[in-house]
Amino acid sequence: EVQLLESGGALVQPGGSLRLSCAASGFSFTFYAMSWVRQAPGKGLEWVSAISGSGDSTYYADSVRGRFTISRDNSKNTLYLQMNSLRAEDTAIYYCAKDPSHLGLNYLDVWGRGTTVTVSS
Amino acid sequence: QSALTQPASVSGSPGQSITISCTGTSSDVGGYDYVSWYQQHPGKAPKLMIYDVNNRPSGVSDRFSGSKSGNTASLTISGLQAEDEADYYCSSYTSSNTLGVVFGGGTKLTVL
Repeated sequence: EVQLLESGGALVQPGGSLRLSCAASGFSFTFYAMSWVRQAPGKGLEWVSAISGSGDSTYYADSVRGRFTISRDNSKNTLYLQMNSLRAEDTAIYYCAKDPSHLGLNYLDVWGRGTTVTVSS
Repeated sequence: QSALTQPASVSGSPGQSITISCTGTSSDVGGYDYVSWYQQHPGKAPKLMIYDVNNRPSGVSDRFSGSKSGNTASLTISGLQAEDEADYYCSSYTSSNTLGVVFGGGTKLTVL
């Protein structure tokens, strides 16, 4: 069974940092691009970042570029999102999702349950 | 990376058909056949319903269909059922400014 399990969400102060992880199982992780999508409380979905299967290509939403870094460790079947200079508007549920292509920026066919990030003093 | 435009809400009675629109630009919806649709029930993760404009993943009911004309994509649900009540989001590949993905604001479907 294909599964994605996010972790690392927490309460953090504005300006702080956090690293999210997403453990993948049930598929050949290295073959597929991955994405992070977030959802602020009561709001819609917002694409955050994507990474190709090899990790060579990365993409970011304008709202996080320069503050967030996506990466992956294919030997550990794990996706990461390093979040720096956090702001109140980064408060959201962060979903990890699998892309059926190798390069990325395609549709997302498998989603995790999400991890909650709250930025507040 | 401006959000795609969806109606905030739509409603229909059981058995009826409804259509949700998703309007973008020539840099996203109109320029590529990479439109997808997601269903999200309260407190749950999104679920892929349609990909590449009009393709259904295995296991998704054939009551769900997608189409596109110009810069507007559409999701049609026929034979509405109570369990279809959910939020629906469209998404598209975008080449506006920088490469990425853009979502619509979401549409709340109410089954009367």
